[in-house]
Amino acid sequence: AQTVTQSQPEMSVQEAETVTLSCTYDTSENNYYLFWYKQPPSRQMILVIRQEAYKQQNATENRFSVNFQKAAKSFSLKISDSQLGDTAMYFCAFIINNTDKLIFGTGTRLQVFP
Amino acid sequence: DTGVSQNPRHKITKRGQNVTFRCDPISEHNRLYWYRQTLGQGPEFLTYFQNEAQLEKSRLLSDRFSAERPKGSFSTLEIQRTEQGDSAMYLCASSSTSGGAWNEQFFGPGTRLTVL
Repeated sequence: AQTVTQSQPEMSVQEAETVTLSCTYDTSENNYYLFWYKQPPSRQMILVIRQEAYKQQNATENRFSVNFQKAAKSFSLKISDSQLGDTAMYFCAFIINNTDKLIFGTGTRLQVFP
Repeated sequence: DTGVSQNPRHKITKRGQNVTFRCDPISEHNRLYWYRQTLGQGPEFLTYFQNEAQLEKSRLLSDRFSAERPKGSFSTLEIQRTEQGDSAMYLCASSSTSGGAWNEQFFGPGTRLTVL
């Protein structure tokens, strides 16, 4: 079975601090992509960052970076210098190469406090 | 606004009624996806189209559900004889296959269905 587990239903962080959201996944496939999506309250989901499974180097997008551990099937998201606008649900997801079906975790609700 | 749009944004219906949702993808995108998101869960894949062809359907898509994309542009998702368990957010996404090995899916705002 292909699954994504996000063990932190809720997290909070103070503005300007750093927070890490955890994610583990399970698949027997070797070629896939991993993603973190952000879903702000009452707004549409947007892609935050992606990681190709064949790349060892961790992806970075401005204040967002990942820690990808392929052997452990772990894919955590680090948000540095947190901003109030980062308040949202964050979903970890993956997609197997040559398929088009995103598989999502249950999400982590992140609250950034001033 | 050139993003994915969905209508209606909210729908309240009585059990047993039929409902239809519409999704308008980004204009140049040839792939269109439907996902369902229940409370406290992440989105779950329902089906997807490439142009007008429906290429995959999830087992979640019972016989009461039907999706179409007749001209390869907008899509409709119909639920017949709605049940309370159908209450969820229905998300639409679109992508273009011209981007290479991986095609980013852009999501719409969703249609929230409440079945009373």
